Amino acid sequence: AQSVTQLDSQVPVFEEAPVELRCNYSSSVSVYLFWYVQYPNQGLQLLLKYLSGSTLVKGINGFEAEFNKSQTSFHLRKPSVHISDTAEYFCAVGTSGGSYIPTFGRGTSLIVHP
Amino acid sequence: GAVVSQHPSWVICKSGTSVKIECRSLDFQATTMFWYRQFPKQSLMLMATSNEGSKATYEQGVEKDKFLINHASLTLSTLTVTSAHPEDSSFYICSALSGTGTEAFFGQGTRLTVV
Repeated sequence: AQSVTQLDSQVPVFEEAPVELRCNYSSSVSVYLFWYVQYPNQGLQLLLKYLSGSTLVKGINGFEAEFNKSQTSFHLRKPSVHISDTAEYFCAVGTSGGSYIPTFGRGTSLIVHP
Repeated sequence: GAVVSQHPSWVICKSGTSVKIECRSLDFQATTMFWYRQFPKQSLMLMATSNEGSKATYEQGVEKDKFLINHASLTLSTLTVTSAHPEDSSFYICSALSGTGTEAFFGQGTRLTVV
């Protein structure tokens, strides 16, 4: 079984400040890791994903995440946020090999203040 | 990237009626699709996994007779909420698994309101 923990339900930050959204996972097998963004009343948009290779993954909108196997983490970072980054962010894990059913964290609401 | 279209985006229906939501993969074939339900300020709850040409696999606690899923082709899966009641009001999201099985592409969601 796999699970995802997003420790912060809400992260307030001022515009142009850096931000880190935390994600930890547990799985007994190798995993794929994803970050999605959801704007109000919309579906999920993929920000970035880790399948294999380099542990530092760069995504869209200036976001990046680092896969840390020893700490079972996949934290999302952005050096300078914009008002438009205000949204719900979901971390997800899927097991590599076999059938893939993504498991989502509860989400982190990023609130960017002017 | 691959596109998944979900229709309708919004629907309001009377209690006791049925509502069908469509999920289409526009530029790829999806053997497997997923249906989620999302309550306000909460994460996505997997309802069922839909496999083309076979019966859907429902998660524990999801009523299969109430939430009918049909995946008749490689590009279309439908979710029908039968005899809808106000407690079925929610945001429903579908996703389709890529051919490589390493990524799921999401529809834009359907806001269902039962009055």
